[in-house]
Amino acid sequence: ILNVEQSPQSLHVQEGDSTNFTCSFPSSNFYALHWYRWETAKSPEALFVMTLNGDEKKKGRISATLNTKEGYSYLYIKGSQPEDSATYLCASTFGNEKLTFGTGTRLTIIP
Amino acid sequence: NAGVTQTPKFRILKIGQSMTLQCAQDMNHNYMYWYRQDPGMGLKLIYYSVGAGITDKGEVPNGYNVSRSTTEDFPLRLELAAPSQTSVYFCASSRRASRDEQYFGPGTRLTVT
Repeated sequence: ILNVEQSPQSLHVQEGDSTNFTCSFPSSNFYALHWYRWETAKSPEALFVMTLNGDEKKKGRISATLNTKEGYSYLYIKGSQPEDSATYLCASTFGNEKLTFGTGTRLTIIP
Repeated sequence: NAGVTQTPKFRILKIGQSMTLQCAQDMNHNYMYWYRQDPGMGLKLIYYSVGAGITDKGEVPNGYNVSRSTTEDFPLRLELAAPSQTSVYFCASSRRASRDEQYFGPGTRLTVT
């Protein structure tokens, strides 16, 4: 079973501050790394899918980086807003068919 | 384009009862997945399918069965429900397996008492 770990488990950030959190995964047989945002009472929505070492992706104030050699990805949020409050999930895969999800980082933005 | 739909939204079952959770997608995706969400545990894969007629077990398949007779539909069957199956169940689909994002349905909240 692939072990995907996320840290921290939860985070409180003041509105306007920037923050980041980590996803760690086994670097051998890496295929893809996904980030999802999961708001309370909704279903997960994809933010990024990354496959190449050194990949950087950006969507508005949110960006992500990928290091497949050492097995980690960072998610950054710049200038946090209340609507950023959510659980952020990462998922990785050994092969081409299925993802293994981490347990998520729960982010709360304090107005 | 409805995306991924799931029914029912909520259900309470008694121990030993059976039920089928329905999932359908209208995006012509080959890959479909069933997950369960347990508190503090993230999403665990129950079963997945790479196309009509092809299914395979995920991480936690015991107590569940699936079928995939069409590209659109991927029902999950619970036989002899147990309290341990109390969870929120999500169905998802994707176009090209793990290099494409997964699209999730709204979830089914199941309680077994």
